[in-house]
Amino acid sequence: EAGVAQSPRYKIIEKRQSVAFWCNPISGHATLYWYQQILGQGPKLLIQFQNNGVVDDSQLPKDRFSAERLKGVDSTLKIQPAKLEDSAVYLCASSPWAPTGYEQYFGPGTRLTVT
Amino acid sequence: QKEVEQDPGPLSVPEGAIVSLNCTYSNSAFQYFMWYRQYSRKGPELLMYTYSSGNKEDGRFTAQVDKSSKYISLFIRDSQPSDSATYLCAMSETSYDKVIFGPGTSLSVIP
Repeated sequence: EAGVAQSPRYKIIEKRQSVAFWCNPISGHATLYWYQQILGQGPKLLIQFQNNGVVDDSQLPKDRFSAERLKGVDSTLKIQPAKLEDSAVYLCASSPWAPTGYEQYFGPGTRLTVT
Repeated sequence: QKEVEQDPGPLSVPEGAIVSLNCTYSNSAFQYFMWYRQYSRKGPELLMYTYSSGNKEDGRFTAQVDKSSKYISLFIRDSQPSDSATYLCAMSETSYDKVIFGPGTSLSVIP
């Protein structure tokens, strides 16, 4: 079974530029999560999708971050414009369905550096 | 007070030692408790989860939950160099709710 795929693996941009990350969850997984992991901290949930609907985006900085999950499969997370404090690893995870939120499968992450 | 706390380490032990990793939390409504392992430059990997209080064993790993003390532990027996990683505790109120992660404890097992 293929795992969660993410691209790109690394990205360096200047502040005020925009960037997009892509995630393809495990086949058949209905729930998809985007997390932000700052160095030395645990992952922090940004947004959770159930199929193509948003379940929780309470911690997503909506003035600069956006995410979509078209057709309930892969997803894109965008930052526009980026700030220095957005430097972090952006992790995508999936779980079979919402009631198994305790069992999440993570991708390798995208390491973003904002200069 | 942070919702979930862990000693960041680093923790360094000799191969074969028993390792004890711990987390404390403040939200008494947490019922699901997870341990994830994260290797350098990789995503977290679920090791095990426990519902409510009690113990759960899986091979060399044992998870313990003490809800009365708001304290959870992960024990690793016969530690191996391949266990060198960051260990993240995580918890949620229900199986639907968002998962709150601790900051992680860095573990090095020295051959």
